[in-house]
Amino acid sequence: DAGVTQSPTHLIKTRGQQVTLRCSPKSGHDTVSWYQQALGQGPQFIFQYYEEEERQRGNFPDRFSGHQFPNYSSELNVNALLLGDSALYLCASSSGRGTGAFFGQGTRLTVV
Amino acid sequence: AQSVTQPDIHITVSEGASLELRCNYSYGATPYLFWYVQSPGQGLQLLLKYFSGDTLVQGIKGFEAEFKRSQSSFNLRKPSVHWSDAAEYFCAVGGPSGGSYIPTFGRGTSLIVHP
Repeated sequence: DAGVTQSPTHLIKTRGQQVTLRCSPKSGHDTVSWYQQALGQGPQFIFQYYEEEERQRGNFPDRFSGHQFPNYSSELNVNALLLGDSALYLCASSSGRGTGAFFGQGTRLTVV
Repeated sequence: AQSVTQPDIHITVSEGASLELRCNYSYGATPYLFWYVQSPGQGLQLLLKYFSGDTLVQGIKGFEAEFKRSQSSFNLRKPSVHWSDAAEYFCAVGGPSGGSYIPTFGRGTSLIVHP
C-alpha cells in the first residue's frame, strides 16, 4: 500500500503565478483534506473533498480552490500567489467521516 | 471555536528518560483528541486518538495519553524516550461538524533527545 502520495515534493513559483498540487489518497479512502503548514506552525485546514464535492472549507480566500476526481485523487489550486503562500501543503486521506486521517509527505511551495 | 494550546515550543530530554508533552484544548462539547508526530521532511503520523471511553489511551511507538476533562488536557507520555523519537509533536482537537471531523492543530512541540 503506497499510502498517501503527493506531487511534486518541492516547487518554486513567482508571485502572481498559479500552482497546482496533486494528491492520491490511500487505497480504500474516499475523503481528501488539504492543509497549509507554515514554518514553525501547526497545519491549518484549507478544505475537504468527498464524493467530488467540497464538503467543508477553512478560513482561506477564494484563490485557493480544489477538485476531486472519480478515482478520489485531488488537486489543490492556488491563484495569484503571494509570498505568504510559501508553506508545506499537506494532503490527508480518510474513509467516510475522516477520523484519524493519513497524511502524505507534503509539497514544499516556495513563492519568490 | 475549538483551539489547542501546546505551551512548550521545545522540550529536551535525555535518551531513556521519561517524557510528557502538554496539550490543553478548548471545545464546546466532548472533544475528539489526537496526537500526531512529524519527522523532518515528512508528513504527519497519527500516534493515538481519543473519542470516548477509557481516558487513558495507548498508541503506537510506546506512547500514551490521558484525557482529563476537568483540566481540559490531553498530555502525551512515554516512559523511556529513544533517540528516534526526536521530532515535532502536534496535538489536535476536533468533533463532528458538517458530516466530517476536521481537527484543529496546536503549533507543535519540538522534542530534542540527548544521547
